[in-house]
Amino acid sequence: KAGVTQTPRYLIKTRGQQVTLSCSPISGHRSVSWYQQTPGQGLQFLFEYFSETQRNKGNFPGRFSGRQFSNSRSEMNVSTLELGDSALYLCASSPNERETQYFGPGTRLLVL
Amino acid sequence: KNQVEQSPQSLIILEGKNCTLQCNYTVSPFSNLRWYKQDTGRGPVSLTIMTFSENTKSNGRYTATLDADTKQSSLHITASQLSDSASYICVVSGYDYKLSFGAGTTVTVRA
Repeated sequence: KAGVTQTPRYLIKTRGQQVTLSCSPISGHRSVSWYQQTPGQGLQFLFEYFSETQRNKGNFPGRFSGRQFSNSRSEMNVSTLELGDSALYLCASSPNERETQYFGPGTRLLVL
Repeated sequence: KNQVEQSPQSLIILEGKNCTLQCNYTVSPFSNLRWYKQDTGRGPVSLTIMTFSENTKSNGRYTATLDADTKQSSLHITASQLSDSASYICVVSGYDYKLSFGAGTTVTVRA
């Protein structure tokens, strides 16, 4: 089975711009979660989608949003980028919420 | 307050030696506990996942233990190899599906 894929792998944006990141989960996995990882904060949970519904949300501002499509692929959008949004954004999929999550390689975002 | 505390923050060991990483949590009610290995610049990879009824689980040279009464878990690495150099993250899942992440322990294995 192919693993979790994320695109793009690297991205450079400037403050005020918006960005959309994409995640394709492992085939058959219905749960997709997004995380932000920075050196100072570690892994921070953004949100989780299951069958196109957002089921959980972390403590991030409304500039961070996401959605999941009927084929379980998910996108994450960050609007009005800030310097502090520079991070590795990880997507993870699992068959359901109680099973092991499989992480993608991440998208490294740099905001200048 | 972080509900998952890992120790030590970092450690250096010689190739071939063993080491043990600790994870203490306060998440309640508890559903499962997971250990992940994350190589620099890559996404985490699952090592083990344990429910409250499991005391130990192995994955090759990695052995995780869980004491649900004291809310403690450990990850033991046997006969370390250079490829074990990574960050090891403890993640605890509550029954509300929320995951609580530890800050991780950075392991450096030296030849």
